[in-house]
Amino acid sequence: GENVEQHPSTLSVQEGDSAVIKCTYSDSASNYFPWYKQELGKGPQLIIDIRSNVGEKKDQRIAVTLNKTAKHFSLHITETQPEDSAVYFCAAHPFLNAGKSTFGDGTTLTVKP
Amino acid sequence: EAGVAQSPRYKIIEKRQSVAFWCNPISGHATLYWYQQILGQGPKLLIQFQNNGVVDDSQLPKDRFSAERLKGVDSTLKIQPAKLEDSAVYLCASSPGPGANVLTFGAGSRLTVL
Repeated sequence: GENVEQHPSTLSVQEGDSAVIKCTYSDSASNYFPWYKQELGKGPQLIIDIRSNVGEKKDQRIAVTLNKTAKHFSLHITETQPEDSAVYFCAAHPFLNAGKSTFGDGTTLTVKP
Repeated sequence: EAGVAQSPRYKIIEKRQSVAFWCNPISGHATLYWYQQILGQGPKLLIQFQNNGVVDDSQLPKDRFSAERLKGVDSTLKIQPAKLEDSAVYLCASSPGPGANVLTFGAGSRLTVL
């Protein structure tokens, strides 16, 4: 089955700095890679996603990159703000099959004012 | 649009007791999922429903866990008898159908087994 590894497990940055979270996956059948943000006391919420036929996608301050050959994908947050503090999860699954999602173990991001 | 509703938010029980969690998905969402999230880990699928039928329950510990979605809308997840290792957050998610890319999660039910 799929195995998703996520690093680092914790990340602390100063407000305004950039943050990068990296994930690797093992199953070539995975071709859709969502990122979820989980705030304290809430469920995970999708923030950005990427399909395997795209190398990069941006949405304002967040971007995701994918290296299909190396089976790596990363989340980039620029100009971090205190409200970006949360746990971030990467996931991988076959396109249009969210029920087969395999999640990483999460990265706790702390943005210090 | 109302989100995925879950209750109770918190539950503390002794080992070997039973507990039930309830989920009401987004209106019109045919597919409902229950996930277990142990502290420090990502969510892991327990069971997936399509309307009132089970699509995947391969990771559900059926000796102690059961789930139902009798009318194809809300769902109940039960644990009986609970073990210490069942302490976790139980997340319910829904999607419009089985062919979806995005899961919409509820806030979760945090279970502590003493």
